[in-house]
Amino acid sequence: SQTIHQWPATLVQPVGSPLSLECTVEGTSNPNLYWYRQAAGRGLQLLFYSVGIGQISSEVPQNLSASRPQDRQFILSSKKLLLSDSGFYLCASDRAGELFFGEGSRLTVL
Amino acid sequence: AQSVAQPEDQVNVAEGNPLTVKCTYSVSGNPYLFWYVQYPNRGLQFLLKYITGDNLVKGSYGFEAEFNKSQTSFHLKKPSALVSDSALYFCAVRDGGATNKLIFGTGTLLAVQP
Repeated sequence: SQTIHQWPATLVQPVGSPLSLECTVEGTSNPNLYWYRQAAGRGLQLLFYSVGIGQISSEVPQNLSASRPQDRQFILSSKKLLLSDSGFYLCASDRAGELFFGEGSRLTVL
Repeated sequence: AQSVAQPEDQVNVAEGNPLTVKCTYSVSGNPYLFWYVQYPNRGLQFLLKYITGDNLVKGSYGFEAEFNKSQTSFHLKKPSALVSDSALYFCAVRDGGATNKLIFGTGTLLAVQP
């Protein structure tokens, strides 16, 4: 079965500091991978998706970037965090037309 | 563009009573619809999906959803609510294209009182 690992689970960072959130997937190969952000505990916004190594599509303009250096690794980054980057970041992978989510990384920017 | 709407921010129901969480959709082409559940500080868990076929879809944990094309709705239902069903529920629609990108509704908080 497919498993998605995200780390760190919780992160508190000062404004202007860099960010790296990592997502790895087990139990599948060549998955489509997604980064979603959930702000204020509610709505989910698709940030990036990737259909293969080095292939990144951005859904919304923002302060973040994504990379996929390996087939089952998806990284979310920022060079300088903003207060508005705070939120719950969810990585997802698809299989048989369904999305499977990791347990999320909660980022607080102070 | 594909979209879903969840008109209720919160639904309150007593344990043992039936529950309904509403979702309406707007799509071009055939709708691929999903329900997910999220417990506090957790990722989303898949409940069920409608692709084609029977309008009544059965899913995990005793949940089911009814697809209604004329009303463009995909309401989530359960005959008898449990306190442990209390969580945030999301309706979603596939965005189309080569990936399985999902567009999510704003979520409905289900509170089941004992």
